[in-house]
Amino acid sequence: GAVVSQHPSRVICKSGTSVKIECRSLDFQATTMFWYRQFPKQSLMLMATSNEGSKATYEQGVEKDKFLINHASLTLSTLTVTSAHPEDSSFYICSAIREVRGNQPQHFGDGTRLSIL
Amino acid sequence: GENVEQHPSTLSVQEGDSAVIKCTYSDSASNYFPWYKQELGKRPQLIIDIRSNVGEKKDQRIAVTLNKTAKHFSLHITETQPEDSAVYFCAAPSSNTGKLIFGQGTTLQVKP
Repeated sequence: GAVVSQHPSRVICKSGTSVKIECRSLDFQATTMFWYRQFPKQSLMLMATSNEGSKATYEQGVEKDKFLINHASLTLSTLTVTSAHPEDSSFYICSAIREVRGNQPQHFGDGTRLSIL
Repeated sequence: GENVEQHPSTLSVQEGDSAVIKCTYSDSASNYFPWYKQELGKRPQLIIDIRSNVGEKKDQRIAVTLNKTAKHFSLHITETQPEDSAVYFCAAPSSNTGKLIFGQGTTLQVKP
């Protein structure tokens, strides 16, 4: 159990394009989902926490107007990178948990490799 | 804020040897400590985790130890194999939000 699906797996697009990434929990309801960004040979950096039915909580230094997050249901969160530029090229990964407690495993999607030309 | 420190950043061992990766955390209320293995271009996969009510947990060749007083936990891999080569991340959750704070990662290379 605990499968998280993330789409698309790879995006290559021109500078200025907006890109939407979907994260779905397939066999459980996720009250909270997380969005991470990972640059080559670096750790996962949390961008924002997405809560169903409320506004996302962004980490310091992450522009909320550039990285739009919508968590419309208990099984779907979307991240939209607006007007993407080459510096936004990275590996974006979502994760989901059933409930917010400090002792729950996070289940990761397969990630989206975003390349902006 | 919360912080997780992980060492070493790279580790090279001969096949069959043991590998140990160490992490320290700052949030004394953290009570759950997962370890993830990430192969190149893939998602992190949970390989073992430990909760704060135990000091050690084993799963075949993998073990994790926890010292809550010192706020550190370690991953032990015995009888390493080339397929163990990957990047390993420790993590500790924020006790309030559930968000995971990751360590910097350890690149493990197991030489045949």
